[in-house]
Amino acid sequence: IAGITQAPTSQILAAGRRMTLRCTQDMRHNAMYWYRQDLGLGLRLIHYSNTAGTTGKGEVPDGYSVSRANTDDFPLTLASAVPSQTSVYFCASSEGGSGGYTFGSGTRLTVV
Amino acid sequence: GIQVEQSPPDLILQEGANSTLRCNFSDSVNNLQWFHQNPWGQLINLFYIPSGTKQNGRLSATTVATERYSLLYISSSQTTDSGVYFCAAAYNQGGKLIFGQGTELSVKP
Repeated sequence: IAGITQAPTSQILAAGRRMTLRCTQDMRHNAMYWYRQDLGLGLRLIHYSNTAGTTGKGEVPDGYSVSRANTDDFPLTLASAVPSQTSVYFCASSEGGSGGYTFGSGTRLTVV
Repeated sequence: GIQVEQSPPDLILQEGANSTLRCNFSDSVNNLQWFHQNPWGQLINLFYIPSGTKQNGRLSATTVATERYSLLYISSSQTTDSGVYFCAAAYNQGGKLIFGQGTELSVKP
């Protein structure tokens, strides 16, 4: 592993199903983030974590939850997927509040 | 919340040309970054530049925090520079970046 690993790369999901997007980093960064990217809307922050054990809500948190049990992992869960959650999801990390971001390669999710 | 606006939205260049991309932000920031999203969707951090000037090869960036704007300069553009360039800025409270809508750059051979 080098940097940030996201899994799966892509997924087609039936509406109403539960799904967890995985994100793992090996840089020992304190802060981690989840963004979604939609055409015409750019990248929007879903949830963030400034350090292990803490999480916070971003611009578009509804329908999503996160946990930060340790420094390396920051999973994003859709409890009951809806078609409007069709998007490309990016995980990112940074050294701290003022550090440069490193992004994962993204997960393309289609909810049908 | 903070607003981040980028211009121009689209730009077409001939290979070898220079360009300047602009980012305006509405509030004080402690974090300003530029990213390149390549045609395969990968997001690459170009600069972390809350103030001052930095250069990396053919790319350079300048942020004038007091006037709330940042500029990204691309010199001698190459086809591999194509993609979308994003500017992102953070609230004073921490590093939660708010992204602009991006500038889509196409460099023609």
